[in-house]
Amino acid sequence: DSGVTQTPKHLITATGQRVTLRCSPRSGDLSVYWYQQSLDQGLQFLIQYYNGEERAKGNILERFSAQQFPDLHSELNLSSLELGDSALYFCASSVETRDETQYFGPGTRLLVL
Amino acid sequence: ILNVEQSPQSLHVQEGDSTNFTCSFPSSNFYALHWYRWETAKSPEALFVMTLNGDEKKKGRISATLNTKEGYSYLYIKGSQPEDSATYLCAFDNFNKFYFGSGTKLNVKP
Repeated sequence: DSGVTQTPKHLITATGQRVTLRCSPRSGDLSVYWYQQSLDQGLQFLIQYYNGEERAKGNILERFSAQQFPDLHSELNLSSLELGDSALYFCASSVETRDETQYFGPGTRLLVL
Repeated sequence: ILNVEQSPQSLHVQEGDSTNFTCSFPSSNFYALHWYRWETAKSPEALFVMTLNGDEKKKGRISATLNTKEGYSYLYIKGSQPEDSATYLCAFDNFNKFYFGSGTKLNVKP
């Protein structure tokens, strides 16, 4: 158990819908990272937040957005969902940013039908 | 998009064998390199974060080296055990943007 929690574990929804994935970092960690793993692709970095501020953006679609709240939990919002958004979404956290070990949560498996 | 390559894609070894895999990454704009161990149906588990050219890190039977000038890192497992069976993933940290290789899948037969 890494200490990072993600909810829900599984999510099934329909195309065109919007969902919110939630992540609680380890106690004391200020950085949160979001990753996507699709069936046909490896792990893709989406976005990073540090202490409430966006720090870096990766391959995140415009239909996706994220935020980190004052209590440091983070949410990833996925809207206008398409079949291709079906994937495993991981959240990770670290104490700071650079050079830091990232601890991954168990992931949220999203299925878009 | 930066290219991070790992080789081999998969590896089958006998228990007790030592093995190594490679992660190749761009030699420019290097920030850090992360190694992860990823077991099926679990989430990636951090092994090492490497930042300096010539870095060598060790955790038990697993060790890693880093050459930032030529853009590669090696991961070594000494005396492989069945519980080492997993996918080993590297991630190139390009100023807080992370680019993952496709992993090396290791299968250790008893």
